[in-house]
Amino acid sequence: SQQGEEDPQALSIQEGENATMNCSYKTSINNLQWYRQNSGRGLVHLILIRSNEREKHSGRLRVTLDTSKKSSSLLITASRAADTASYFCARGQKVLVVVRGVGGTSYGKLTFGQGTILTVHP
Amino acid sequence: DTGVSQNPRHKITKRGQNVTFRCDPISEHNRLYWYRQTLGQGPEFLTYFQNEAQLEKSRLLSDRFSAERPKGSFSTLEIQRTEQGDSAMYLCASSFGRTADSYNSPLHFGNGTRLTVT
Repeated sequence: SQQGEEDPQALSIQEGENATMNCSYKTSINNLQWYRQNSGRGLVHLILIRSNEREKHSGRLRVTLDTSKKSSSLLITASRAADTASYFCARGQKVLVVVRGVGGTSYGKLTFGQGTILTVHP
Repeated sequence: DTGVSQNPRHKITKRGQNVTFRCDPISEHNRLYWYRQTLGQGPEFLTYFQNEAQLEKSRLLSDRFSAERPKGSFSTLEIQRTEQGDSAMYLCASSFGRTADSYNSPLHFGNGTRLTVT
């Protein structure tokens, strides 16, 4: 089941405007990741912010994380028509697994939200 | 880096038939994941492989689903006796992780296999 909620579900803006998408979650995280998906394609990783970080930038992207409120936001500045896509936040958790009953290992498990559909009009 | 490759891109099958999908991860990636995505939803975790070992399976993965990753390279996902509810996009992702911090690695996704069960 989905553990993240994204807001808004759909966002329509004009080229050049900023787009802000929000993500809330319920349980603890090790990181929060944002992905983009064009129609009929796979997901592309945009940015990862660790639980001990508050803000991160990558080009026109700015991500904030507030672990006390269990929320994150993705800001795309100066949007372009090519930014039209679905955007997903994903809660990253460290999962411990037992290997053959004698040891353990960990991996990062992602739980995705329902996504925000962004449409940028030229 | 040629990316994650999934085949076929589309599969249409009749209810009750078996289907098999293939995923070729990025060559140096030791971790492989399968996700399922239905229309208008985010991807849902199905299963995880570390090298050839399947270490976690979601409760979504019923007995009709089986996944393998022989020799820790490509992976296959088989659905037996398909049902209409199995119609979805099946996504494969891979990542590299050998350090204690590797759970913070991003995933690299393929373009998926879209399954339609009629």
